[in-house]
Amino acid sequence: EVQLVESGGGLVQPGRSLKLSCAASGFTFSNYYMAWVRQAPKKGLEWVATISTSGSRTYYPDSVKGRFTISRDNAKSSLYLQMNSLKSEDTATYYCARRGMYTTDYGYWGQGVMVTVSS
Amino acid sequence: DIQMTQSPSSLPASLGERVTISCRASQGISNNLNWYQQKPDGTIKPLIYYTSNLQSGVPSRFSGSGSGTDYSLTISSLEPEDFAMYYCQQDASFPPTFGGGTKLELK
Repeated sequence: EVQLVESGGGLVQPGRSLKLSCAASGFTFSNYYMAWVRQAPKKGLEWVATISTSGSRTYYPDSVKGRFTISRDNAKSSLYLQMNSLKSEDTATYYCARRGMYTTDYGYWGQGVMVTVSS
Repeated sequence: DIQMTQSPSSLPASLGERVTISCRASQGISNNLNWYQQKPDGTIKPLIYYTSNLQSGVPSRFSGSGSGTDYSLTISSLEPEDFAMYYCQQDASFPPTFGGGTKLELK
C-alpha cells in the first residue's frame, strides 16, 4: 500500500525557516517524480514544487522560487521541502504528492501537514 | 499561467441525483485535465486523469469528459460519501494549476 506521511510542520515567525519531510513507503520511491502542493486556510490547492526522480531537476512557481527548495533522498525514500524567508501568505497545509510513472497527474497524496507563519 | 475556472462553486444536490461539475481553461489544454476529491478532514483522493481515465478503485459512477478548453466531471447517482469538494487541475503547461473548487453539498 502506498503511503506518504508528512512531518515537520508547526508555528514559525515571519522570516524564519522550516523544513518539511515526507516519508514514502509501499512503492519504489526512486522511480517517481514527487511534488509538494499546498492549501491556504479556506482556499484552493496551489502547486509548490516538483522534483525529478534523481533530484537533478526541480521546478517552482514564482511565488516560492528562491525561498523554497525541494529535495529527496532516494536511499531513505524521503522527500523534503526547505522553506526559508517565510511569509504569512505561506500559511497553509502542505501535501506531499506522487506523480504518475507515465502520467503527470498526482496519483497519491499524503494527509498534509500544517504550517502557520505568524509572529 | 493557465487559469482554471470551475462552476458552480457550490452545488446542492440530493442522494441518487446525477450532477455535473464544469471546468474551463483559459487556453486549450489538450485533455491534460485531472480531477480530485477532497473530504472535510483534508484527505485528497485522485479521481480521474487525462480527462476521462478513472484512477484505480474509483467507482464507475464517476466519469469525465471534455476537450479543448471545456471539461466536466459527472457523478451518475450520488452516494452519501460523494459530498465533498472537487478540484480540476491542468498539467498541459507549466506551472500546473488548479481550479477554485466546487463544493458538492447535500440539499
